[in-house]
Amino acid sequence: QVVLTQSPSASASLGASVKLTCTLSSGHSDYAIAWHQQQPEKGPRYLMKLYSDGSHRKGDGIPDRFSGSSSGTERYLTISSLQSEDEAHYYCQTWDTDIQIFGGGTKLTVL
Amino acid sequence: EVQLLESGGGLVQPGGSLRLSCTASGFIFSKYAMSWVRQTSGKGLEWVSTLTYGGESTYYADSVRGRFTISRDNSKNTLYVQMNSLRAEDTAVYYCAKSDSGDVEDAFDIWGQGTMVSVSS
Repeated sequence: QVVLTQSPSASASLGASVKLTCTLSSGHSDYAIAWHQQQPEKGPRYLMKLYSDGSHRKGDGIPDRFSGSSSGTERYLTISSLQSEDEAHYYCQTWDTDIQIFGGGTKLTVL
Repeated sequence: EVQLLESGGGLVQPGGSLRLSCTASGFIFSKYAMSWVRQTSGKGLEWVSTLTYGGESTYYADSVRGRFTISRDNSKNTLYVQMNSLRAEDTAVYYCAKSDSGDVEDAFDIWGQGTMVSVSS
């Protein structure tokens, strides 16, 4: 069964860029994932679906500052021109036969 | 506006039951698979259950299989989960989520705001 691994925390300065990583377990490099943002005390918000070739489709209203890329079993979320409201938890999600899987999430702190 | 609105959460004793509802608006509800996802305090997201767009097939996490039942009424644009034999470890915020397509194996592209379920004596 596929497993998603995320670093528990990340930090970057206001106005800078940050690249978050979601790693698929070995043998699952062809899997697409989704990225979700969860701001404090709010429900999750869909950011994008990211495919193994790096192509991605963002949700409605997601700023251009958010982009995705892929390499092997790694799926990346890059946030540029960081703003204070980007401080949140970021979760990756994938799907397999009859099941949905989430990564443990990365807490992003904007310094 | 595309929206999901959960309701029905509350405090229930261990062994008790609760039914959550999720009312959809702004999209053709009957065309999409729908799911429940939960989140315990301070922890990550845990998939609970998914239902096909027509309601014919259901899928459950091992932690809830046999205790929870997911269903939908497409005429009312509403998703349900009936939770029986509740345990303390079921305490969480429960979110409903819409699949990006009619497939059960797809991204969640719309989330509700969540409803809190507390299981305690």
